[in-house]
Amino acid sequence: GQNIDQPTEMTATEGAIVQINCTYQTSGFNGLFWYQQHAGEAPTFLSYNVLDGLEEKGRFSSFLSRSKGYSYLLLKELQMKDSASYLCAPGGVTTDSWGKLQFGAGTQVVVTP
Amino acid sequence: DAGITQSPRHKVTETGTPVTLRCHQTENHRYMYWYRQDPGHGLRLIHYSYGVKDTDKGEVSDGYSVSRSKTEDFLLTLESATSSQTSVYFCAISDPTSNQPQHFGDGTRLSIL
Repeated sequence: GQNIDQPTEMTATEGAIVQINCTYQTSGFNGLFWYQQHAGEAPTFLSYNVLDGLEEKGRFSSFLSRSKGYSYLLLKELQMKDSASYLCAPGGVTTDSWGKLQFGAGTQVVVTP
Repeated sequence: DAGITQSPRHKVTETGTPVTLRCHQTENHRYMYWYRQDPGHGLRLIHYSYGVKDTDKGEVSDGYSVSRSKTEDFLLTLESATSSQTSVYFCAISDPTSNQPQHFGDGTRLSIL
């Protein structure tokens, strides 16, 4: 199995930057996913890292270091609509288990005016 | 939303009754998944399917069965519902051959009284 650790909650002000860390213990995976989930809604895909390093997608960036068992999601220029839970999820190793994600409990980000 | 429909969206039933949740996709994706989401636990995989009639267990499969008789439909059955199965259930689909991440349905809120 994979123990996935994320902070439970983070608070930041509008316009600021927040970094959500995710540590995991796994023998291997094809890629690591980040999802956003607003209260009462389904998770939506944000970002995906296959290789070590930084993937940038607009205001959101994700970083992966397999050697350190560590990933982070960076949210820049925070907006009120970014208040949500952010889920870290390593995928499987094989093609058949690629989408067999194990999710962390999520980090609730609260954006204040 | 990525052509995934879950039904019903809400259901209240009594302990001991059978319940079937349906997930229907129009994307022709090979892989389909059922998760449950509970406070403090995040999303946990119940069962998944990697093709018609091909299914496998996830981490919380006890008390659940699934069937996939055609590509577009993945059914989750609670043979005899218990109060511990009160949860929000999400279906997801993915296509790893094209590096498509998992996309989720809108969820089914199930209450077992």
